[in-house]
This record gives sequence, C-alpha cells and structure tokens, in this order.
Amino acid sequence: TQLLEQSPQFLSIQEGENLTVYCNSSSVFSSLQWYRQEPGEGPVLLVTVVTGGEVKKLKRLTFQFGDARKDSSLHITAAQPGDTGLYLCAGARQGGSEKLVFGKGTKLTVNP
Amino acid sequence: DVKVTQSSRYLVKRTGEKVFLECVQDMDHENMFWYRQDPGLGLRLIYFSYDVKMKEKGDIPEGYSVSREKKERFSLILESASTNQTSMYLCASSPPDRNGEQYFGPGTRLTVT
Repeated sequence: TQLLEQSPQFLSIQEGENLTVYCNSSSVFSSLQWYRQEPGEGPVLLVTVVTGGEVKKLKRLTFQFGDARKDSSLHITAAQPGDTGLYLCAGARQGGSEKLVFGKGTKLTVNP
Repeated sequence: DVKVTQSSRYLVKRTGEKVFLECVQDMDHENMFWYRQDPGLGLRLIYFSYDVKMKEKGDIPEGYSVSREKKERFSLILESASTNQTSMYLCASSPPDRNGEQYFGPGTRLTVT
C-alpha cells in the first residue's frame, strides 16, 4: 500500500512567520499535487509537480518535489490569516492509474 | 473553470433510509470519484468511475453503490444508511492524462441519526 505521511499534523503560527509542511513516502509517484481545503468546502488544487527536483512558486507559496519523487514540501513565506486551512498532498500512482493517494493533511492556523 | 456541483450541502437521514448523493461536472471529464472525509482518517476513496456505466471499487466500498448513466453525473447510493456513515462526502472529477489532477465539489455533510 502506498502511503503519504504529512507533517506536522497541526500548525498554529502568527501572521508574518514562515513555515514548511512536509509530505513523505517510501514509494515513488509519477506526480504529486497540493490542495488547500477551507472548513465546509471541498479541496482546491494549488499545484502539480511532475519532475524530480522540480520547484514551483505560487505567490508566497513554494512547492518542491524530491529528486527521487518520493517526497514534497510546501513552504509559505510571511503567512497571512487567509492562508489558514487544511493542506493536503496527493500522489498519482505509477502505472497510469487515475486514482490518487492522499495524505491526512496539515491543519494550518495563521493568527492575526 | 471546472465546476463540480453536489446536490446537497447538508443532509440529515434516519438509520435504514436509502440515501442518494448526486454529483454533476460540466467539463466533460471521463473520471469521477466519491470520497468520504473523516477527522484523523483523511480522504478515503469509496468508488471510482472511468467512463459511463464503468465503475471500480475504492478502498471502502462496503455499504455503498454508485451509478453513472451519463458522463456528467455520478451518483452515490447508501442502500440502508447507518450511523457510521455520518461523514463529509466529496465528489471529484478529472480529465485523463493530466497527472491525476482532481477537481472537487463543495461536499455534502451527511448526518445519519
């Protein structure tokens, strides 16, 4: 069974601080996505990384895919209250399956 | 923008009732999914459909069935609702060959009493 472990599970920080969320596995994924979910809503896709070592930036968010395509990180610079939410990583299984493996998420709270 | 809609945001049903949750997507996606989301357990795949009338069991199909008669619509059926099916139900769709990217609906919060 392919698993994605996310850490930390909970994170509460002050506005303006930086943070990093990790997504790790012992398995190789063909691609990896990050989603953000707000309370009572469905997850919204933030980014997809495909190539080992790839780095993508989305405003203050930086996403990195590990060289071996087994892990990923999300770094937020100068966090704002609007960044509050549940961050989920999800990996696409190798072999062309359309199904994703989801991590359990990191619940981020940014306090003003 | 991709739009995935779900028939209800909140639903309260009694034990033993038959429950229908509907999901519609407007982007002509081949793949559609039903998940449930519970605290501490994350998203768990119930069923997956890769074409009209085609379905595949996910990780937790027991107590559920699905129907996909039209490409845009994917229904989740709880044949006889039980209290342990109280959960947040999320529908998603995805096009083929897009690295598995999925687009989610807003979710249905189902309570079974």
